[in-house]
Amino acid sequence: EVQLVESGGGLVQPGRSLKLSCAASGFTFSNYYMAWVRQAPKKGLEWVATISTSGSRTYYPDSVKGRFTISRDNAKSSLYLQMNSLKSEDTATYYCARMVANGYFDYWGQGVMVTVSS
Amino acid sequence: DIQMTQSPSFLSASVGDRVTINCKASQNINKYLNWYQQKLGEAPKRLIYNTNNLQTGIPSRFSGSGSGTDYTLTISSLQPEDFATYFCLQHNSFRTFGGGTKLELK
Repeated sequence: EVQLVESGGGLVQPGRSLKLSCAASGFTFSNYYMAWVRQAPKKGLEWVATISTSGSRTYYPDSVKGRFTISRDNAKSSLYLQMNSLKSEDTATYYCARMVANGYFDYWGQGVMVTVSS
Repeated sequence: DIQMTQSPSFLSASVGDRVTINCKASQNINKYLNWYQQKLGEAPKRLIYNTNNLQTGIPSRFSGSGSGTDYTLTISSLQPEDFATYFCLQHNSFRTFGGGTKLELK
């Protein structure tokens, strides 16, 4: 069974940093593109980052480019999201998601809450 | 960037009803359109990929259609477990989600 378990969320002040982790199991992690998707309170979903199987290629929307960095450790079957210069508008539930051939998201984690507030 | 406009935002219906949810893209997305279901506190679950392909294990009362910029999710006969939030995703160019439709029991 595919499982994705996020961790590392919490309350952080504006301008500070936070690193999220996602532990994957139930599939060969190194064979899949992975992504982060977020959902602000009472808002829609927003794709945040994608990483290729080897980690050599990464993709971001303009809203987080230059502030967020996605990475992975295939030996540990783990995905990460380093978030710097956090803003109040980054407050959201962050989901780790597996991708089908850099297409769409097929499995999602339960999500982890990040609150950016002073 | 491709924008996705999903409608309606809220939908009240009864068990046994046929319901449709729509997503309109700001440009042609070549049928790269998926539908997901999300229940409170749970991870989103994929229902349909590439417009009209049902994910394994999803009941046949769910179906998708569309082309170009206009896409539809249809639930032919609502069951109690179908009351949830539904959202679309385009993956033709980067990834953009629709705003979601909350399907509630009338």
